[in-house]
Amino acid sequence: DIQMTQSPSSLSASVGDRVTITCRASQSINSDLNWYQQKPGKAPRLLIYVASSLQTEVPSRFSGSGSGTDFTLTISSLQPEDSATYYCQQSDSVPYTFGQGTRLEIK
Amino acid sequence: QLQLQESGPGLVKPSETLSLTCTVSGVSIRNNTYYWGWIRQPPGKGLEWIASSYYSGTTYYNPSLKSRVAISVDTSRNQFSLKLNSVTAADTAIYYCVTLFSKSVNYFDPWGQGTLVTVSS
Repeated sequence: DIQMTQSPSSLSASVGDRVTITCRASQSINSDLNWYQQKPGKAPRLLIYVASSLQTEVPSRFSGSGSGTDFTLTISSLQPEDSATYYCQQSDSVPYTFGQGTRLEIK
Repeated sequence: QLQLQESGPGLVKPSETLSLTCTVSGVSIRNNTYYWGWIRQPPGKGLEWIASSYYSGTTYYNPSLKSRVAISVDTSRNQFSLKLNSVTAADTAIYYCVTLFSKSVNYFDPWGQGTLVTVSS
């Protein structure tokens, strides 16, 4: 199985800050990397697919980059509604696997 | 608009079989762009992919659960189902039915709202 490791596990930032979350795969997954946002009591929501493509209706302050084993999710200007847990997920091979999650708190 | 809705018992006894159904609306389950699947999340923990199936019967399972799990698609009802046998407390989780978009790229979207299944006597 491909292991996905996110860092940090949690972070706290202020409105307007630029925030970066990192995801590392245990082997190369090309660009087969997706990012999801999950708010308490809700199902995860797709934000970014194939590393850098923004899903429809996702605000442009979200962006993704990377390929191979190292990927990042960036929020350019943090908003209060961005408080959530973020997960990366590899779609390169079965079994599909997720990172452990990064909990983002707004100061 | 593609939507998914889970249904099934919220409480299952240890050693018994967990059975869930997902009703698909807004698109035919025969649509060749999609696989249909399940992901679970123990309370307060991360996400685990369980299985995915094409409408024609091609299936993929997580090896960690493969010996206990079965996924099936009912094209006549536009539904798909999950069965997990010999459950223990470790199978207590929110179970999400999901669409795996699969056309040169793969991603899970959309998701059902999720249903909490508790394994307890």
